[in-house]
Amino acid sequence: EAQVTQNPRYLITVTGKKLTVTCSQNMNHEYMSWYRQDPGLGLRQIYYSMNVEVTDKGDVPEGYKVSRKEKRNFPLILESPSPNQTSLYFCASTPQDGTLKQFFGPGTRLTVL
Amino acid sequence: RKEVEQDPGPFNVPEGATVAFNCTYSNSASQSFFWYRQDCRKEPKLLMSVYSSGNEDGRFTAQLNRASQYISLLIRDSKLSDSATYLCVVNPNTGGFKTIFGAGTRLFVKA
Repeated sequence: EAQVTQNPRYLITVTGKKLTVTCSQNMNHEYMSWYRQDPGLGLRQIYYSMNVEVTDKGDVPEGYKVSRKEKRNFPLILESPSPNQTSLYFCASTPQDGTLKQFFGPGTRLTVL
Repeated sequence: RKEVEQDPGPFNVPEGATVAFNCTYSNSASQSFFWYRQDCRKEPKLLMSVYSSGNEDGRFTAQLNRASQYISLLIRDSKLSDSATYLCVVNPNTGGFKTIFGAGTRLFVKA
């Protein structure tokens, strides 16, 4: 089944404790993105990647890192999480077919205490 | 001014009604436009791409007005299952894969 998976789905952590949220897609898509969703603000793009080893900042990259060492994986790293990073996070992948249609993972609900 | 703006609603409509949402965007160079549907904090799912000529998919019609910089979504014969949040999405054509989401319009369809 074609899908985007994220892990973990739920995470409660404490300020300053490094964490990684994994994202993997099995559709051989070139593009991948990370978003955060907060009430009243909609989804905001954190980082995106247009291919292996090619990443770029979205609208809200501060406090996050990403890597794209393999085409299928695009982990999101929070080196020192803070309470303002409490949010619902979505990963998405997009084929390089000109359509720019995005396929989303199920989301990761992160709480930073 | 936000890059992509939507009326948050909620829109409360009876079954069978026709309802329309608009979404305005600020970057006139934007090239790609979409409507996504999101149920109750689940992942967004693509509803329709929006083409310059307009497009229709069953009960759903999407239109683009470049002169006034807005896109619209029309839902005819609303069903209870149409209750969701509708997200307007724009790729502003600033290079790369920058993507801007509107904050969404909430729709409730009542029996």
